[in-house]
Amino acid sequence: GAGVSQSPSNKVTEKGKDVELRCDPISGHTALYWYRQRLGQGLEFLIYFQGNSAPDKSGLPSDRFSAERTGESVSTLTIQRTQQEDSAVYLCASGLKGGMNTEAFFGQGTRLTVV
Amino acid sequence: AQSVTQPDIHITVSEGASLELRCNYSYGATPYLFWYVQSPGQGLQLLLKYFSGDTLVQGIKGFEAEFKRSQSSFNLRKPSVHWSDAAEYFCAVGDGTNAGKSTFGDGTTLTVKP
Repeated sequence: GAGVSQSPSNKVTEKGKDVELRCDPISGHTALYWYRQRLGQGLEFLIYFQGNSAPDKSGLPSDRFSAERTGESVSTLTIQRTQQEDSAVYLCASGLKGGMNTEAFFGQGTRLTVV
Repeated sequence: AQSVTQPDIHITVSEGASLELRCNYSYGATPYLFWYVQSPGQGLQLLLKYFSGDTLVQGIKGFEAEFKRSQSSFNLRKPSVHWSDAAEYFCAVGDGTNAGKSTFGDGTTLTVKP
């Protein structure tokens, strides 16, 4: 498959545990985005990676959230000490490059449930 | 700060009928506007985008949208809806430098009656 791949597709975790969500972007895409989608709401931007540049972390809601990406490969979103309000679908998207002419291609998301 | 409002949470139309989904935005400069569709079990797919030029934009699957600066609107239209169009639709405004870093509306769920 040539699309953005996210794993796991579903994750149930206990409050207070740490979770890692993985995103495999489309090969060759230098731009990578993480979004959060709460039930019944639109997407909230979390973080943006562009190549080897410093990431744009302006959307991360708290210091419990972090993300890494090595070069133009896989990215991992980590949520520490999960809270119930972290329950949401986490979407990853990738694009050929950043900027206004980039189309972002979205994965199917990871549904996180914190119990 | 930019924002997007989709006034209709849920819309139901009959198959073959026309469709208009409303989107209003708030942005300080020339907006970069997008419509996405999210079908059950699928990721978001870009339907169309407006950056500049002709204010009537054509997209995939027979959709079009019209940018009206005076009304701060970017409504999505389709002349004849198909059952497969049932999905959730999101309007988004880009941050001016990066299309992927957008502010999304809360979405409109479209139901299509046979």
